[in-house]
Amino acid sequence: GQQLNQSPQSMFIQEGEDVSMNCTSSSIFNTWLWYKQDPGEGPVLLIALYKAGELTSNGRLTAQFGITRKDSFLNISASIPSDVGIYFCAGQLFQSGNTPLVFGKGTRLSVIA
Amino acid sequence: DTGVSQNPRHKITKRGQNVTFRCDPISEHNRLYWYRQTLGQGPEFLTYFQNEAQLEKSRLLSDRFSAERPKGSFSTLEIQRTEQGDSAMYLCASTPGDRGSNTEAFFGQGTRLTVV
Repeated sequence: GQQLNQSPQSMFIQEGEDVSMNCTSSSIFNTWLWYKQDPGEGPVLLIALYKAGELTSNGRLTAQFGITRKDSFLNISASIPSDVGIYFCAGQLFQSGNTPLVFGKGTRLSVIA
Repeated sequence: DTGVSQNPRHKITKRGQNVTFRCDPISEHNRLYWYRQTLGQGPEFLTYFQNEAQLEKSRLLSDRFSAERPKGSFSTLEIQRTEQGDSAMYLCASTPGDRGSNTEAFFGQGTRLTVV
């Protein structure tokens, strides 16, 4: 199936630091979504992006839809302990018809107080 | 709570037994998806419904798996003759589906299956 390469796999940061993670693919996507998942729970939608070049913020989170349509990044500013979790990028392939979301393998974020 | 609801949250079963999971989507959403997630991986698509019609199945969905959405509301996922490799988190998601896209999928809390 289609692959989304998400990096880094894991991060350990100090509270208050900024975080950046990204997702790349060899395929073109028409939608990028970013989710956060806590242990034992389902993913929770953070940000949705629909246009190439789009930059969208949600509180301390900022995400961008890459110009080439093949990548996206998520930034978290001034991290706090509750930011701990696994962050997933997900995309819908750019093709006709409805295609299910494809997910990356996640970035595990740990915040050291 | 008007979010996506899944039951049970946890299921432990012996190998060879059948199990059934239920998903209640957000009430006005007509698209419903099933995903499977194993440790260290992102969710993987299994199948989806537009109202009561099952429109797509992944190659991951072997013939031991069957899903239904008889009235276009809740859905069930049944696994027959479970195997240890079926142990995973089974996630359900729903979207409005009114623009022909599955963007902004909202997930339930999942059912964690352990096959012993």
